[in-house]
Amino acid sequence: QITLKESGPTLVKPTQTLTLTCTFSGFSLSTSGVGVGWIRQPPGKALEWLALMYWDDDKRYSPSLKSRLSLTKVTSKNQVVLTMTNMDPVDTATYYCAHSSRSLTGKGRYFDLWGRGTLVTVSS
Amino acid sequence: QSVLTQPPSVSGAPGQRVTLSCTGSSSNIGAGYDVHWYQQLPGTAPRLLIYANINRPSGVPDRFSASKSGTSASLAITGLQAEDEADYYCQSYDSSLSGSVFGGGTTLTVL
Repeated sequence: QITLKESGPTLVKPTQTLTLTCTFSGFSLSTSGVGVGWIRQPPGKALEWLALMYWDDDKRYSPSLKSRLSLTKVTSKNQVVLTMTNMDPVDTATYYCAHSSRSLTGKGRYFDLWGRGTLVTVSS
Repeated sequence: QSVLTQPPSVSGAPGQRVTLSCTGSSSNIGAGYDVHWYQQLPGTAPRLLIYANINRPSGVPDRFSASKSGTSASLAITGLQAEDEADYYCQSYDSSLSGSVFGGGTTLTVL
């Protein structure tokens, strides 16, 4: 059974750096084709893809946020850590991590299992 | 402004059939990248509903089906039930952005 859980601060101040941890079980991030993604959702708004960590340590980031994002894999703990710098109130959102699989046709990826998400509020 | 365009809302009566659309462009759906659909019930995390254009994960009722053509995709729900009231999102890959993209979501209301 695959599970994922996000953890981190619920409140950060503007300009601070946010560090979120995704702790997962039921799969290995060393298995070919597997990924762990981060997606966020501002209150009442749509989903926004942020970043993806691949099984081979490759990483991809949303172009609009690339300069602020960083991913780290902690294999021994089954964790993927997302860091976002220079937080702003517009970054207030629920942040999800999700298991990512390669699409059947090989053209793209999808998020088949999600964590429950963690609400991060940016306010002074 | 989302890269994939979805109508903000759709509604239908119990038992009816509704269709939700997702329109992309030549750098995502039109380039042949697969489309995936998610259902988000109020206050919960999204759940994968359809993957690789037409496939249902185990546990998803066959009332849900999807298709893809050209630069668009659609999700159909037949035999509408009150429990289907949720937000629905499409997702694909965009080669110009080198990453995943989501639609703006459609809120389905069961009348």
